[in-house]
Amino acid sequence: NAGVTQTPKFRVLKTGQSMTLLCAQDMNHEYMYWYRQDPGMGLRLIHYSVGEGTTAKGEVPDGYNVSRLKKQNFLLGLESAAPSQTSVYFCASIRGFRTEAFFGQGTRLTVV
Amino acid sequence: DQQVKQNSPSLSVQEGRISILNCDYTNSMFDYFLWYKKYPAEGPTFLISISSIKDKNEDGRFTVFLNKSAKHLSLHIVPSQPGDSAVYFCAATSSGNTPLVFGKGTRLSVIA
Repeated sequence: NAGVTQTPKFRVLKTGQSMTLLCAQDMNHEYMYWYRQDPGMGLRLIHYSVGEGTTAKGEVPDGYNVSRLKKQNFLLGLESAAPSQTSVYFCASIRGFRTEAFFGQGTRLTVV
Repeated sequence: DQQVKQNSPSLSVQEGRISILNCDYTNSMFDYFLWYKKYPAEGPTFLISISSIKDKNEDGRFTVFLNKSAKHLSLHIVPSQPGDSAVYFCAATSSGNTPLVFGKGTRLSVIA
């Protein structure tokens, strides 16, 4: 049982390049989230989804786009990467609100 | 404005003693609270939760206390072990489609 899997684990981008981070969960969870973790800032919500085909903005959505075409996958896109997007990105899925969130192992992204 | 605050960035405790991690929240709509533990290079993992209808929840060495009037919760770890050394995040949510809101985390070091 894989749980939540993030791809890739590491990536270095040049400023202006684009990329997509993939999050896949095998627990049939409805809700999926993308967070970023920066030193001293904790986990900040970028975008989230409450079901297949739905997305919503979180606390820090600028510069990111997301899609949830299939229930098990939640994609995070960076159209034109900036050094400020250097961070560790975590995906999480939740069966329902007021239940625990399961996190992936993280993607460490460096934008140079 | 931060809705979930962990005002102590770090805490050092001797092995065998009690660790107390604190968390304050400002949003009175929050009614479910969780603690997560995070080791380096791993995703956060769920530790313990508490609903606002309770003021205490125990799970082995871990106990969470909730003081609704003070909008304060705390995590007690007794006895503390070196393997407890990690970053601890407090998180909160409310009914409806409200994503988890995290604090900035407290780094616990348990010294043998």
